[in-house]
Amino acid sequence: GESVGLHLPTLSVQEGDNSIINCAYSNSASDYFIWYKQESGKGPQFIIDIRSNMDKRQGQRVTVLLNKTVKHLSLQIAATQPGDSAVYLCAENYSPGSGTYKYIFGTGTRLKVLA
Amino acid sequence: EAQVTQNPRYLITVTGKKLTVTCSQNMNHEYMSWYRQDPGLGLRQIYYSMNVEVTDKGDVPEGYKVSRKEKRNFPLILESPSPNQTSLYFCASSFMGNTQYFGPGTRLTVL
Repeated sequence: GESVGLHLPTLSVQEGDNSIINCAYSNSASDYFIWYKQESGKGPQFIIDIRSNMDKRQGQRVTVLLNKTVKHLSLQIAATQPGDSAVYLCAENYSPGSGTYKYIFGTGTRLKVLA
Repeated sequence: EAQVTQNPRYLITVTGKKLTVTCSQNMNHEYMSWYRQDPGLGLRQIYYSMNVEVTDKGDVPEGYKVSRKEKRNFPLILESPSPNQTSLYFCASSFMGNTQYFGPGTRLTVL
């Protein structure tokens, strides 16, 4: 079947370089943000998250930056490897009230790592 | 192993033939959700549930039903599937307001 990776913006990076994937989120009330990695034929997998009271969070080889002023989120991957090739999805979470939670996903960016 | 499971993984059916896609999680999560993923449109939420017997519409609920009789299970029901419901479907679960964990996906084709 057609890959969900088609029609997406693509970022091509050389193996070993750093990658920066950007995401503009939509709701100023969002207070929790998540990056997922989706490989072909698989469900999204959690990479890293950040709450709105922070502007930076680091994991193993990955860093998420949050700029609430311009509603922008970025994912930095250090020393990109061939196994990092995938579609990357950003998600925002907010509570519209009544104890409910809403998750909104971006359409994704395809990362292609060149050997 | 903590996981979300979905069945079937692949399904080809015909217009109008009722089908159910099952979803189960073993992490005791309150929140469960169904999404469909289409090229160029990203993940769109169909229905979600905040706990047993509590379900609500997401952004694209038309043509779908859900139920939440037990905390671990959240089946998606298509009473009369149509070709525009051909898509890749994901179930997800989480604790409230936290990271969602996704199942492996169900690729549905309606002829």
